[in-house]
Amino acid sequence: QKEVEQDPGPLSVPEGAIVSLNCTYSNSAFQYFMWYRQYSRKGPELLMYTYSSGNKEDGRFTAQVDKSSKYISLFIRDSQPSDSATYLCAMSRSGGYQKVTFGTGTKLQVIP
Amino acid sequence: GAVVSQHPSWVICKSGTSVKIECRSLDFQATTMFWYRQFPKQSLMLMATSNEGSKATYEQGVEKDKFLINHASLTLSTLTVTSAHPEDSSFYICSASSGTGASFGNGTRLTVT
Repeated sequence: QKEVEQDPGPLSVPEGAIVSLNCTYSNSAFQYFMWYRQYSRKGPELLMYTYSSGNKEDGRFTAQVDKSSKYISLFIRDSQPSDSATYLCAMSRSGGYQKVTFGTGTKLQVIP
Repeated sequence: GAVVSQHPSWVICKSGTSVKIECRSLDFQATTMFWYRQFPKQSLMLMATSNEGSKATYEQGVEKDKFLINHASLTLSTLTVTSAHPEDSSFYICSASSGTGASFGNGTRLTVT
């Protein structure tokens, strides 16, 4: 079993839809949770960084962490074609970015 | 801020030759940098952790003699793929800690013919 599981998609939604992206994990030692966006042939770009359980909102993006269920989510409101990319969840035991474990990424396509 | 520059963005080399990839932190000092490898439709796999002024720490299964890492300064780490073979063809990405989370380079696509 992988430490971090993420549905690879692809996920296609119409423009304006609410997108829900999810990851599950098995290691209860993970404390820091991140979401990255990766465009084709580019490096990942950090979108959200959260510690422990709870919600964090930044513009159209909301990250949720439920440590009791070992489940994290990223919601994108009013999705735009420019949101089309691969979204990777990531997590680590400690902050300051030490060893980070990534999900496989979910490919999202927002259709105009 | 927290910009990481990686060079080259793509390289094609012949089997048996060596290739050097550079990773620079442009506006911050990075005592630690990380090198990843990414195959199509797969997650980023950590290859090694590069520490300024000391030897790199390699992940299990990564050949240290094949993937040479040098972190000579607080802003530069290099990965050299020695005696490259077609199976080394992949997307290599570096990253550096910028306090919270990490900043990634744009990756290097290596094709070994």
